[in-house]
Amino acid sequence: DIVMTQTPLFLSVTPGQPASISCKSSQSLLHSNGKTYLHWYLQKPGQSPQVLIYEVSSRFSGVPDRFSGSGSGTDFTLKISRVEAEDVGIYYCMQGTHPPKTFGQGTKVEIK
Amino acid sequence: EVQLVESGGGLVQPGGSLRLSCVVSGFTFSTYWMTWVRQAPGKGLEWVANINQDGSDKYHVDSVKGRFTISRDNAKKSLYLQMNSLRAEDTAVYYCARDISYGDLDYWGQGALVTVSS
Repeated sequence: DIVMTQTPLFLSVTPGQPASISCKSSQSLLHSNGKTYLHWYLQKPGQSPQVLIYEVSSRFSGVPDRFSGSGSGTDFTLKISRVEAEDVGIYYCMQGTHPPKTFGQGTKVEIK
Repeated sequence: EVQLVESGGGLVQPGGSLRLSCVVSGFTFSTYWMTWVRQAPGKGLEWVANINQDGSDKYHVDSVKGRFTISRDNAKKSLYLQMNSLRAEDTAVYYCARDISYGDLDYWGQGALVTVSS
């Protein structure tokens, strides 16, 4: 199975400051069809997860443009340009290229 | 409005069985892959199983193979997870989700808690 490794596991951020989460996969996530199925999810406290970014860098409908995703192959990054209070929660990367689909361990983001 | 509503969770003894249901509304159920994801208490997310549009293709994570079975009834707009030979480590909140493309899970249910304990 593909192992997804996120760093850091915990992030404490001052409002208005940027934040960055890294996600590394144990194998390339480039599919034979040319697409890379690396997605980012946020689970806010007490809620179900919600998709933020799909296929590395595409923002899901309604997701603020302060969220951006980048990367290729085995290295991926989620960036928040200016953290807001509503961004608290646990962020997960997930690969959908190789069955079974696998999630990273999660990165907990709190506001200072 | 897209909605996914899970039911069927509860307390079950080790070795017992439970069937989770997920009833959907607000979209054409029969045209989407569907997925089950679980989250043990205080832990991260684990992909459990998915199924294609007509139910002819199914995949299960190794830890549940031979014990859990995903299925669907498109006429009833319902997704199911039959869970047999339950173990303490299966204790989790189970979410159903719509899969629009290779793990892009755009809508999730509220989750159903399954507790396996004697």
